[in-house]
Amino acid sequence: DAGVTQSPTHLIKTRGQQVTLRCSPKSGHDTVSWYQQALGQGPQFIFQYYEEEERQRGNFPDRFSGHQFPNYSSELNVNALLLGDSALYLCASSLPVSGNTIYFGEGSWLTVV
Amino acid sequence: GESVGLHLPTLSVQEGDNSIINCAYSNSASDYFIWYKQESGKGPQFIIDIRSNMDKRQGQRVTVLLNKTVKHLSLQIAATQPGDSAVYFCAEGISGYSTLTFGKGTMLLVSP
Repeated sequence: DAGVTQSPTHLIKTRGQQVTLRCSPKSGHDTVSWYQQALGQGPQFIFQYYEEEERQRGNFPDRFSGHQFPNYSSELNVNALLLGDSALYLCASSLPVSGNTIYFGEGSWLTVV
Repeated sequence: GESVGLHLPTLSVQEGDNSIINCAYSNSASDYFIWYKQESGKGPQFIIDIRSNMDKRQGQRVTVLLNKTVKHLSLQIAATQPGDSAVYFCAEGISGYSTLTFGKGTMLLVSP
């Protein structure tokens, strides 16, 4: 049973560029959330997708957008990259009801130079 | 002992000791809580969770205690092993939303 898988694992982008990160949820999970984790900090919630729609959103600018596909996989897009966007981007999958275990992928390390 | 480093509080213990990691959560409406272990360069790994209608839950070598009165959560690790060395995060959530708010994290260092 595959867990949450993310790609790419590492990437380097230049300020102003755009990036797309990808996530496949754990088998049987239909809810995908994205978190940003800066070095030395806890993960911060970006947004959550369920039934191909954004269901909840954290305190992140519109430069951060996402998408969920019919097979429940998801993408995170960040436009006009800033140096401060450098972080580990984590995808988490779960069932939509709280109290069910939320599983995280290994993350995508983004460095903006 | 426990100390506050530049970025994360750090708990240093000897192999075989029992470890206690503490967490103060922020939202009195939170009704479920999870502890995650995060090793360097990896994503958070689920350890144990607890709902607000409980004050204690035990797993394999781990126990989570919840004190809702003072909004405090703790993780106890019995017979700590070098492989337990990692950063530990507590996270809180609210029924109806499968999103989490994470605490700052505590680094656990286990010496052989």
